[in-house]
Amino acid sequence: GIQVEQSPPDLILQEGANSTLRCNFSDSVNNLQWFHQNPWGQLINLFYIPSGTKQNGRLSATTVATERYSLLYISSSQTTDSGVYFCAVGGGGADGLTFGKGTHLIIQP
Amino acid sequence: SAVISQKPSRDICQRGTSLTIQCQVDSQVTMMFWYRQQPGQSLTLIATANQGSEATYESGFVIDKFPISRPNLTFSTLTVSNMSPEDSSIYLCSVAHTEAFFGQGTRLTVV
Repeated sequence: GIQVEQSPPDLILQEGANSTLRCNFSDSVNNLQWFHQNPWGQLINLFYIPSGTKQNGRLSATTVATERYSLLYISSSQTTDSGVYFCAVGGGGADGLTFGKGTHLIIQP
Repeated sequence: SAVISQKPSRDICQRGTSLTIQCQVDSQVTMMFWYRQQPGQSLTLIATANQGSEATYESGFVIDKFPISRPNLTFSTLTVSNMSPEDSSIYLCSVAHTEAFFGQGTRLTVV
């Protein structure tokens, strides 16, 4: 099956810092999503981005499908950004998602 | 988008018992998906539930342990049977049109 690798596994930053999270995947995909899992376990949809670039406030994401990687950028980090960020890929609506192991982000005040 | 409601949100169960988790979606969907997240780990797909047919299970998951029902296009249940402490996890229901959406999860602790 498809492999999904995320880096770094852990990241500790001061409030206000910027960060880049990476997701590499081993095969072509029709679906790539970024999620934020909050401390209560809920998965929050950040981006649906099988290709191209999107921005939403302080967050942006880029997927280069031909090179099989995606990047999530967080600017001007806030303590509420803390949590685990997952990249997940799949073949499309009828397929489930394969998740990476996540990046555990801690933003210190 | 989709609004997905899961019940219960959390439970503590005795080993050897079974728990049924319910998932309700606010719109009709063809496929519903069940995932497990063991403590400190990522999410793993358990099975895909298609209305009107048997669920399709991923490698390492079997119907006897995780029976699934899909009686209509907005509802599904996952049962965790004959539980052991190793079944302590968060169980999540998901639906996807193009983008996937998740319920808030059921946090299960088996003692």
